[in-house]
Amino acid sequence: QVQLQESGPGLVKPSETLSLTCNVSGGSISSYQWSWLRQAPGQGLEWIGFVYFSGSTNYNPSLKSRLTISLDKSKNQFSLKLSSVTAADTAIYFCAGYQMLCGCFDPWGQGTLVTVSP
Amino acid sequence: DIQMTQSPSSLSATVGDRVTITCRASQSISKYLSWYQQKPGKAPKLLISTTSTLQSGVPSRFSGSGSGTEFTLTINSLQPEDFATYYCQQSYNTRFTFGLGTKVDFK
Repeated sequence: QVQLQESGPGLVKPSETLSLTCNVSGGSISSYQWSWLRQAPGQGLEWIGFVYFSGSTNYNPSLKSRLTISLDKSKNQFSLKLSSVTAADTAIYFCAGYQMLCGCFDPWGQGTLVTVSP
Repeated sequence: DIQMTQSPSSLSATVGDRVTITCRASQSISKYLSWYQQKPGKAPKLLISTTSTLQSGVPSRFSGSGSGTEFTLTINSLQPEDFATYYCQQSYNTRFTFGLGTKVDFK
């Protein structure tokens, strides 16, 4: 059973780059499109983007100019970098596997809170 | 982007109630609709994909229906562990969007 675990700093300063990593264990990294989603405090879910096994990406247009998602097959990890952050980027960030067959996100990591503050 | 509108935004119910949550899409999304359950401090859990396909391990009291622009999630005989927030998500295109959620709490 595939399990995901996010890691990275919980506090980022405004204008800096938010960097998170998701470790994939218990399954093949080739089986999903590896995704990032976020949830601002008390709010709904926002899809950020995903990376295919090939390395190509698909990003939310609203974040595209600041976003890089990459895959490290040797480490069974994928990463998120979001530049020029503001307080509006404060959220719980989830990594998840997107399954094209069902159009659904499953499995999910537990999520990690990132706060943007001076 | 395709807008997903859930109703109600919250509802109060008791154990044993039948609960129905509606999700409307701003354009037709065919059958490409999933439902998730989220409890406080936890990640969303996939319940149903492609409108009505129940995920393995999800109780049969959960069901989904609909097509095009209108979809429903029904919980028959609500159980204590079902009090949570429910989200719909469209995958008609790869600019995935979610509804704002429906919180089901105790009456």
